[in-house]
Amino acid sequence: KAGVTQTPRYLIKTRGQQVTLSCSPISGHRSVSWYQQTPGQGLQFLFEYFSETQRNKGNFPGRFSGRQFSNSRSEMNVSTLELGDSALYLCASIPSPGSYEQYFGPGTRLTVT
Amino acid sequence: QKEVEQNSGPLSVPEGAIASLNCTYSDRGSQSFFWYRQYSGKSPELIMSIYSNGDKEDGRFTAQLNKASQYVSLLIRDSQPSDSATYLCAVNRGYSSASKIIFGSGTRLSIRP
Repeated sequence: KAGVTQTPRYLIKTRGQQVTLSCSPISGHRSVSWYQQTPGQGLQFLFEYFSETQRNKGNFPGRFSGRQFSNSRSEMNVSTLELGDSALYLCASIPSPGSYEQYFGPGTRLTVT
Repeated sequence: QKEVEQNSGPLSVPEGAIASLNCTYSDRGSQSFFWYRQYSGKSPELIMSIYSNGDKEDGRFTAQLNKASQYVSLLIRDSQPSDSATYLCAVNRGYSSASKIIFGSGTRLSIRP
């Protein structure tokens, strides 16, 4: 079974720009969660999606948004990038909403200059 | 008090010895517990999950859970240099959402030859 794929793997953007990250979960998994990982804050929850619906959102500003498509692929968007948005963005595939064994993708390393 | 606490390390263990990693959590209602391994520059990989008190073994890994004392530990037997990584403890505070899963900041483990 193919794992979680995330694209792109690396991004360099400048302040004020926007960025879209993509995630395809493991085949058959319908839930996706997104995390931001930084050395100072560790892993922080961004969003969770199931069947194209956002179930929860973490404590992040409105500049962070996401969506899920009917094929379970998910995207997240960050608008008006700030230097502090530099991080590893991780997508996790969840077998079902009742299972919390999350399988992470390789991540997208975003650098904001 | 952090919700999930881990000693940041580094924990240095000789090759072939047992590495013992500990994690404490504050929410007594937490239901499920996970250990992830994260190599430098990579994404977290789920290695163990445990849901009830006691021990759970998988190969060289043993997870131990004590809900009364609110701690979960991971033992790695016959430690290998390839076990050198950061180990993240994750605690699920509730049933409903990935947003209830809290990650510790991780313990860096170094296996010395």
